[in-house]
Amino acid sequence: GDSVTQMEGPVTLSEEAFLTINCTYTATGYPSLFWYVQYPGEGLQLLLKATKADDKGSNKGFEATYRKETTSFHLEKGSVQVSDSAVYFCALSDLLTGGSYIPTFGRGTSLIVHP
Amino acid sequence: NAGVTQTPKFQVLKTGQSMTLQCAQDMNHEYMSWYRQDPGMGLRLIHYSVGAGITDQGEVPNGYNVSRSTTEDFPLRLLSAAPSQTSVYFCASSYRGLIYNSPLHFGNGTRLTVT
Repeated sequence: GDSVTQMEGPVTLSEEAFLTINCTYTATGYPSLFWYVQYPGEGLQLLLKATKADDKGSNKGFEATYRKETTSFHLEKGSVQVSDSAVYFCALSDLLTGGSYIPTFGRGTSLIVHP
Repeated sequence: NAGVTQTPKFQVLKTGQSMTLQCAQDMNHEYMSWYRQDPGMGLRLIHYSVGAGITDQGEVPNGYNVSRSTTEDFPLRLLSAAPSQTSVYFCASSYRGLIYNSPLHFGNGTRLTVT
């Protein structure tokens, strides 16, 4: 079945440092890929997405490129802020037989940014 | 639009008690789902529904029931609470249709403690 693997956290950085959170996936079809962010005490919210190979999703300074050849969707940001401290989830959505889908999530990576 | 609304935000139950976690969405989404979030385990799918009158089991359905009598509501019932059900529960919805790569919209969660 489909699966998503994320690097374990927590990732601890100083403000303005470069961020990379690795995500790799296995899927039987041609999935769409997502990054969600969860701030403390809240539900997940969509950060960015990419729907086909070589697409780049971007939002709020974060970027991720859909790499089919390496089955990866790594999240990057050039200069993190304290307000980026949160848990980040990589996810995929694959069209299953019958026309329905069930999203698959990674386990999440906690990011802590110090001033 | 309110989005996805979950009630209550917090709940404490004694072992053996039953309760219903409420979830409502006002976006006319066909797909609705329940997840539980536990430390180190990420998000695990409990039950999901692809439309009114249709429900199916996810990864961890035991001890939980759902029904989908309307498009808007998707309640989760705990039949006889156990300490292993202590968790944070999230309801999520999405447009299904032909746009299968639509992202999920999450509620803010219900934090449940079973003593």
